[in-house]
Amino acid sequence: AQSVTQPDIHITVSEGASLELRCNYSYGATPYLFWYVQSPGQGLQLLLKYFSGDTLVQGIKGFEAEFKRSQSSFNLRKPSVHWSDAAEYFCAVGASADSWGKFQFGAGTQVVVTP
Amino acid sequence: GAVVSQHPSRVICKSGTSVKIECRSLDFQATTMFWYRQFPKKSLMLMATSNEGSKATYEQGVEKDKFLINHASLTLSTLTVTSAHPEDSSFYICSARDLGGYGYTFGSGTRLTVV
Repeated sequence: AQSVTQPDIHITVSEGASLELRCNYSYGATPYLFWYVQSPGQGLQLLLKYFSGDTLVQGIKGFEAEFKRSQSSFNLRKPSVHWSDAAEYFCAVGASADSWGKFQFGAGTQVVVTP
Repeated sequence: GAVVSQHPSRVICKSGTSVKIECRSLDFQATTMFWYRQFPKKSLMLMATSNEGSKATYEQGVEKDKFLINHASLTLSTLTVTSAHPEDSSFYICSARDLGGYGYTFGSGTRLTVV
C-alpha cells in the first residue's frame, strides 16, 4: 500500500529565507507525486506534480520539487519565501492509472513566515 | 483551466437533519469525482469515489448509509450527510479528474458544523 510521510509538522521561516519541506513516500512502482497548498479555510491548490521524466519539477509560485527515487523522497523547495506562502502544505502520492485520484496525503506541514 | 465549484462553503445544521453538499465541474466533464474529509489540523482522508451513473465506492470505515453520494451527471456529484451528528462536523472537499487525467482539481471545501 502507498503511504506518504511528512516528517515536519510545523516549520517557521523568515521572509526571504529559503524553504524546504520534506516528503517521503512508500510505493511499489513509480509513484505519481503531488504537492498541494491549502490556505486557512480553503481548498487545495496544486503546486506541482511529478509523473516521469525530469526529476526536478517546476511549479507555480516559485516552488520546485525534486524526485529522488533512491531516497523515496519528493522534497519541495522555494529559494525565497514570501509572507503569502504561509499555509499548510500537503504531499500526496497517487495510485496507478487504474485508480486515478485516489490520493494518499501526508499529514501536512504548517509553514509560518515571520517578518 | 479546470474549475471545481463546491457549495455551500459553510453550513450549520441541527443534529438529526441532513445536509447536501454539491461539487460541480464548471468547464469540464468529470466521470469521476472524489470526496475527502479533513479533520482539524489533520490530513485529508478519502471517503469515497463518485462515479457518474453508478454507485459510489466507499473507503473502508466510511458509512455509506450516512454519507450518500450521487453522481447523476457528468458535472455534478453530491454528498448528503444524513442524520448529522456533531461528530460529523468537519471540512469536506471534493476533487475531480480533469480532461487530461493528469491532474485533479479540488473544490474550495465545505465547512460543516452540526449543533
